[in-house]
Amino acid sequence: KQEVTQIPAALSVPEGENLVLNCSFTDSAIYNLQWFRQDPGKGLTSLLLIQSSQREQTSGRLNASLDKSSGRSTLYIAASQPGDSATYLCAVYNTNAGKSTFGDGTTLTVKP
Amino acid sequence: EADIYQTPRYLVIGTGKKITLECSQTMGHDKMYWYQQDPGMELHLIHYSYGVNSTEKGDLSSESTVSRIRTEHFPLTLESARPSHTSQYLCASSTGASYNSPLHFGNGTRLTVT
Repeated sequence: KQEVTQIPAALSVPEGENLVLNCSFTDSAIYNLQWFRQDPGKGLTSLLLIQSSQREQTSGRLNASLDKSSGRSTLYIAASQPGDSATYLCAVYNTNAGKSTFGDGTTLTVKP
Repeated sequence: EADIYQTPRYLVIGTGKKITLECSQTMGHDKMYWYQQDPGMELHLIHYSYGVNSTEKGDLSSESTVSRIRTEHFPLTLESARPSHTSQYLCASSTGASYNSPLHFGNGTRLTVT
């Protein structure tokens, strides 16, 4: 059974700092890994999707990497802003299961 | 912005009532999903569908049922609500054309059973 772990559970940084969020998974037979952002009481907003054949994806200040063999992904946020404060979740779509498994999320606070 | 809608946004209801949470998407996606999320906790898949007349139970045991009569509509029903059903329910969809299509989420329904 796929297990997805996100470290740290919470992170607080001053504005302008670069930061890295981590996601690890136990079963490397995945089709893709997706990073989401969730604001309090809201649904999830898709940030980036990395296919299993890809090593990274970039969107603006966000860069996500994937090392499928070691079961790890990172989300790099450059020049963080208070508006980046949210919970960030990763989800892996498994080849066998036909559905996604989510991590617990990392709650990020960016202080002005 | 993804076109997936959930209603109601908030619902407070008494124990024993029957409720239906609505989810509709206008993107023609084949795959639709219901997740349950308690505050500060991970998402748990409770139901999913790969297309019309296809429904499957997810990882988390749930007393709810779903139907998929139309591609765009995937309602979730609780026959008799209990306080243990208090949670946030998130609906998602993705195209069936590729395993590498992203999940799109609605804004969720926050259910409170008193």
